[in-house]
Amino acid sequence: AQSVTQLDSHVSVSEGTPVLLRCNYSSSYSPSLFWYVQHPNKGLQLLLKYTSAATLVKGINGFEAEFKKSETSFHLTKPSAHMSDAAEYFCVVTRKTSYDKVIFGPGTSLSVIP
Amino acid sequence: DAGVIQSPRHEVTEMGQEVTLRCKPISGHDYLFWYRQTMMRGLELLIYFNNNVPIDDSGMPEDRFSAKMPNASFSTLKIQPSEPRDSAVYFCASSGTSGGPLGANVLTFGAGSRLTVL
Repeated sequence: AQSVTQLDSHVSVSEGTPVLLRCNYSSSYSPSLFWYVQHPNKGLQLLLKYTSAATLVKGINGFEAEFKKSETSFHLTKPSAHMSDAAEYFCVVTRKTSYDKVIFGPGTSLSVIP
Repeated sequence: DAGVIQSPRHEVTEMGQEVTLRCKPISGHDYLFWYRQTMMRGLELLIYFNNNVPIDDSGMPEDRFSAKMPNASFSTLKIQPSEPRDSAVYFCASSGTSGGPLGANVLTFGAGSRLTVL
């Protein structure tokens, strides 16, 4: 069984300050982990993915995430927030290299204050 | 490729009417997923297909919902009869084994179909 917890339903940061969106997962298998972003009234777009190569994964738009097996975490970070980062972010877990179900977390809404 | 194409983008209908949502996946992708998104329940997987065959429909809410994939380039999600609680954004996504193991599970989403049932 697999599940995803996103610890914050809403995060608000000032422009230019760091972003941290937290994600913890549970999986009976070796997981693949992803972050997707959804801008208002848009579909979801892949930000980055972890599939057991490097534990620190770099994605688009300056985002990165670190896989920590001991903590079952896959937190998303960015050194400096931009206004265009305001969106909904989803952490996703699935079975590695499998086409099994893709489980989405509940999402974290990121607001960026000018 | 134009990406995953969904239609209609917006649909407003009255309770009891039949609703059909359409999806064209990315050419060459052999997995297709239907998701529903609401404020209350977030993103829910309704059903997914592999090579046009339904693999898991355990997320389909009830018999009023049905989904088909008659060929590799087209899928429909039908609600009959529709109810106000079906109001949501419905997303179609596709993925493909052509990306190899590292491409597994990388979903490309359509822009969604926003359904309002009055």
